[in-house]
Amino acid sequence: DGGITQSPKYLFRKEGQNVTLSCEQNLNHDAMYWYRQDPGQGLRLIYYSQIVNDFQKGDIAEGYSVSREKKESFPLTVTSAQKNPTAFYLCASSTLGAYNEQFFGPGTRLTVL
Amino acid sequence: AQSVTQPDIHITVSEGASLELRCNYSYGATPYLFWYVQSPGQGLQLLLKYFSGDTLVQGIKGFEAEFKRSQSSFNLRKPSVHWSDAAEYFCAVSGGGADGLTFGKGTHLIIQP
Repeated sequence: DGGITQSPKYLFRKEGQNVTLSCEQNLNHDAMYWYRQDPGQGLRLIYYSQIVNDFQKGDIAEGYSVSREKKESFPLTVTSAQKNPTAFYLCASSTLGAYNEQFFGPGTRLTVL
Repeated sequence: AQSVTQPDIHITVSEGASLELRCNYSYGATPYLFWYVQSPGQGLQLLLKYFSGDTLVQGIKGFEAEFKRSQSSFNLRKPSVHWSDAAEYFCAVSGGGADGLTFGKGTHLIIQP
């Protein structure tokens, strides 16, 4: 089955530690995205990538980093510089066509202890 | 900058009653509009989308939405809700490129028996 996988589903981190969230897709999509979701805030774009080895900052990129070494993978690192990292993180992918319909993974809930 | 407003944070509807969720957008050109649904702790599922043409679009699970350019609205409707429709609903807008969606803050739908 084609789709997007995110791991782990739940992640706990101590303050001051970096942590990496995994996102893999087998939809052969060129574009991939990371969103952050907080209660009552909707989804906010962190980073996106339209091609391997290239990515752009979204609205809330500070304290996060990404890489895109393979078309199917787009890991997100939450660094210690992110002041309030506890949130639900969603990965998505889409084609590069004009219609930008995005398909979402199941999400990773990150809790900082 | 584009934006999306969902005026209702919570809506309660009796099972079998009709539903309308409001969405207003701000975008300088022709928008691409989406409605997504999210069950607790899950990713987002696309309900329907509007790109051009007929302003009344049909989606999955019996949902439909009407694009009204004069009112900058894209309201979601369902003639008769089921208990399984209880979820969070998000409206989103795109300019048609692969640079991410702008989401509203969501409407939480509660179904009364």
